Amino acid sequence: DVKVTQSSRYLVKRTGEKVFLECVQDMDHENMFWYRQDPGLGLRLIYFSYDVKMKEKGDIPEGYSVSREKKERFSLILESASTNQTSMYLCASSPTGANVLTFGAGSRLTVL
Amino acid sequence: AQSVAQPEDQVNVAEGNPLTVKCTYSVSGNPYLFWYVQYPNRGLQFLLKYITGDNLVKGSYGFEAEFNKSQTSFHLKKPSALVSDSALYFCAEKLPWGGATNKLIFGTGTLLAVQP
Repeated sequence: DVKVTQSSRYLVKRTGEKVFLECVQDMDHENMFWYRQDPGLGLRLIYFSYDVKMKEKGDIPEGYSVSREKKERFSLILESASTNQTSMYLCASSPTGANVLTFGAGSRLTVL
Repeated sequence: AQSVAQPEDQVNVAEGNPLTVKCTYSVSGNPYLFWYVQYPNRGLQFLLKYITGDNLVKGSYGFEAEFNKSQTSFHLKKPSALVSDSALYFCAEKLPWGGATNKLIFGTGTLLAVQP
């Protein structure tokens, strides 16, 4: 089975801290995605990557950056966390040409 | 702009009764359409998809969905609900010309509550 692993399930950070959310997939997928999930808003795409060192902005990239130095790892970075970034963050991956995403279990971030 | 609408925040149904979770899409033409399910404290799991062909699509756990082009809808259905079906359901679409990156647009989600 394809596995997408998000190393941190729950994090509590303070305003202004730098936050790293890590995601690793083990099936050699080209595409990786970061979404945030908020009640009433569904899932919104933050960034995605279709190859190593390649990235594209999604619908809500402000306040976030990403890094993809290796194919299996896609990191989401909050340079200076703010309270409005308190959310559930979901990572997903897929192979090129496929239409189905495989999601990780999510990382719930609380910014105080 | 491309969008997916799930008009109901919550659907309540008694166990054993049929269930329907509604979804409408906005893109003209033939989008790719998907349903995902999210159980508490878990990520999303793929249920089923419509790409082309038969308008009635069957998926996991006894779920099915019907693509209706004239009504731009893709409602999720199940003939007999189980308590274990209680979860958050997301409809999503992808433009067929959107390239190989599988960028999906998700609806806001519908909470399905099945009462024993």
